[in-house]
Amino acid sequence: DAGVIQSPRHEVTEMGQEVTLRCKPISGHNSLFWYRQTMMRGLELLIYFNNNVPIDDSGMPEDRFSAKMPNASFSTLKIQPSEPRDSAVYFCASKRQGDSQPQHFGDGTRLSIL
Amino acid sequence: SQKIEQNSEALNIQEGKTATLTCNYTNYSPAYLQWYRQDPGRGPVFLLLIRENEKEKRKERLKVTFDTTLKQSLFHITASQPADSATYLCALSSESSNTGKLIFGQGTTLQVKP
Repeated sequence: DAGVIQSPRHEVTEMGQEVTLRCKPISGHNSLFWYRQTMMRGLELLIYFNNNVPIDDSGMPEDRFSAKMPNASFSTLKIQPSEPRDSAVYFCASKRQGDSQPQHFGDGTRLSIL
Repeated sequence: SQKIEQNSEALNIQEGKTATLTCNYTNYSPAYLQWYRQDPGRGPVFLLLIRENEKEKRKERLKVTFDTTLKQSLFHITASQPADSATYLCALSSESSNTGKLIFGQGTTLQVKP
């Protein structure tokens, strides 16, 4: 089975630019999660979807962040405009139906905003 | 507020010894707890799950305990090997366990020396 696929793996851009991160979950998984990881704050949940519907976006830091899941095999996390403090590693994870099913993570996008 | 604490200091042990990592939490009662391993530049990988009504779970050289009175989980790696060197994250479910949502600790870095 292919794992969770994220792109790009690395992104360097200047502040003020729009950034779009992409995620392809594992086929058959119906929940998708976006996380941000920094040394200071660890792994923080930003938003998650069940069956393509956003369920909890309380972790989204501000209106500059938005996420979509137009179908079961694709999700995007967009930052517009980007700021240096958004620099972090962003992970996408997916899981099967069932509350205690493990989450399967992609290898992340390392984002640097200059 | 809900809080999860893992040893922030790196744990250095000699090959062949047992590594013990600690996860403490406050101000809520999770339905289950999961442990993940993270290697540099990679996403977390699921290792074990233990439910609130289970005291102990084992998988090969790994053992997890869950004490809901002490609000603590211990993660043991017996006969440790240099290949076990990584960061280990504990993750707790929300109290309403049907969301699949997890709250992650900051992680403890384990270094096993040959």
